[in-house]
Amino acid sequence: GAGVSQSPSNKVTEKGKDVELRCDPISGHTALYWYRQRLGQGLEFLIYFQGNSAPDKSGLPSDRFSAERTGESVSTLTIQRTQQEDSAVYLCASSTHAVGDEQFFGPGTRLTVL
Amino acid sequence: SQKIEQNSEALNIQEGKTATLTCNYTNYSPAYLQWYRQDPGRGPVFLLLIRENEKEKRKERLKVTFDTTLKQSLFHITASQPADSATYLCALLSGTSYGKLTFGQGTILTVHP
Repeated sequence: GAGVSQSPSNKVTEKGKDVELRCDPISGHTALYWYRQRLGQGLEFLIYFQGNSAPDKSGLPSDRFSAERTGESVSTLTIQRTQQEDSAVYLCASSTHAVGDEQFFGPGTRLTVL
Repeated sequence: SQKIEQNSEALNIQEGKTATLTCNYTNYSPAYLQWYRQDPGRGPVFLLLIRENEKEKRKERLKVTFDTTLKQSLFHITASQPADSATYLCALLSGTSYGKLTFGQGTILTVHP
């Protein structure tokens, strides 16, 4: 497929466990973004990767959250010692290099922390 | 502090009418403003982009205006259809935050047949 894919689509975990979420961007897109969307709310920016530049981590809510990206391909978002307030849909998006270009979103991973 | 507000959580209109959604912002100097559509259980889908030096953009039944003096964008859907029912999100790209989009909370539009 040509779109952004994310896995898993759903993840249920127990409080205190670590989780890893994966994003496969559109081939050729140098920019990759992670967002969090709580129920009934807008998207909250988490982190932004652009090529080989240092990522913009200004939206990460705590040091329990981290993300990596391998070159211009797959990215993983890791949440350590999950808390119930981490329950949300985590959305990944990618775009071309140009500033202001539209972002193409994946379907999201719904995370539930019990 | 920086703030983006979309005028209402929910908007209900009759089929065939024009839907008008509002996005207001404070303490931003946006270089770009984008509108996205989000259907339940799915990621947002890009609709339109308007730059700070543009007043209006159109695409088929969609029209976006951008008033940097009022700090407001209006999003219009003309001849609305039940299939237009979705959540609509505005998003700002600040000129000082390369690539980082900040989203409003969204407006749920329902078009009744």
